[in-house]
Amino acid sequence: SQQGEEDPQALSIQEGENATMNCSYKTSINNLQWYRQNSGRGLVHLILIRSNEREKHSGRLRVTLDTSKKSSSLLITASRAADTASYFCALFSNDYKLSFGAGTTVTVRA
Amino acid sequence: GAVVSQHPSRVICKSGTSVKIECRSLDFQATTMFWYRQFPKQSLMLMATSNEGSKATYEQGVEKDKFLINHASLTLSTLTVTSAHPEDSSFYICSAGGVRTIEKLFFGSGTQLSVL
Repeated sequence: SQQGEEDPQALSIQEGENATMNCSYKTSINNLQWYRQNSGRGLVHLILIRSNEREKHSGRLRVTLDTSKKSSSLLITASRAADTASYFCALFSNDYKLSFGAGTTVTVRA
Repeated sequence: GAVVSQHPSRVICKSGTSVKIECRSLDFQATTMFWYRQFPKQSLMLMATSNEGSKATYEQGVEKDKFLINHASLTLSTLTVTSAHPEDSSFYICSAGGVRTIEKLFFGSGTQLSVL
């Protein structure tokens, strides 16, 4: 199964700044999802965007999807120290499998 | 949101022993459960997919005799690492999806396995 490729691998920002991370993929998808993982813990589902959607918002999160470029971005606005975590994009394919990218480690400095 | 409970959260065992990890969906019926393995600072790698009442489907390269998966009920799946070796040390995470939530999975909190 394919995986998304994320960049950057790591991101360090000041509290209050925005954080943007990108995910690219190669084949067709049913939907694309973003998850957060705090160190040594399980994953928390953040947002799901379907292949026929271009943008979605959830609180301070904004996700875009460009199927022509096979890429997605996650924007976290007005970051907080509690946003420090690893963020993964995950591709949901038509065989009902979820494949994860390598993740972006975000550090928010107080 | 739905809750998936995974136990134990951490286990240390001697080489050659078997370890069982449980994954329970607490407030929904999990028709499908997935088991992932994660190495430090890396992505989650899907190991196998299990559907209630049937045999698990393993991803390429995953030894089914090594990683036994049982999904006997709609709320419980278990992963047994048999005859564990140090190279099996890893973070194992389960996730569950129901009939209406197959697109959006709910994850357990993970199990850190350390084999001495």
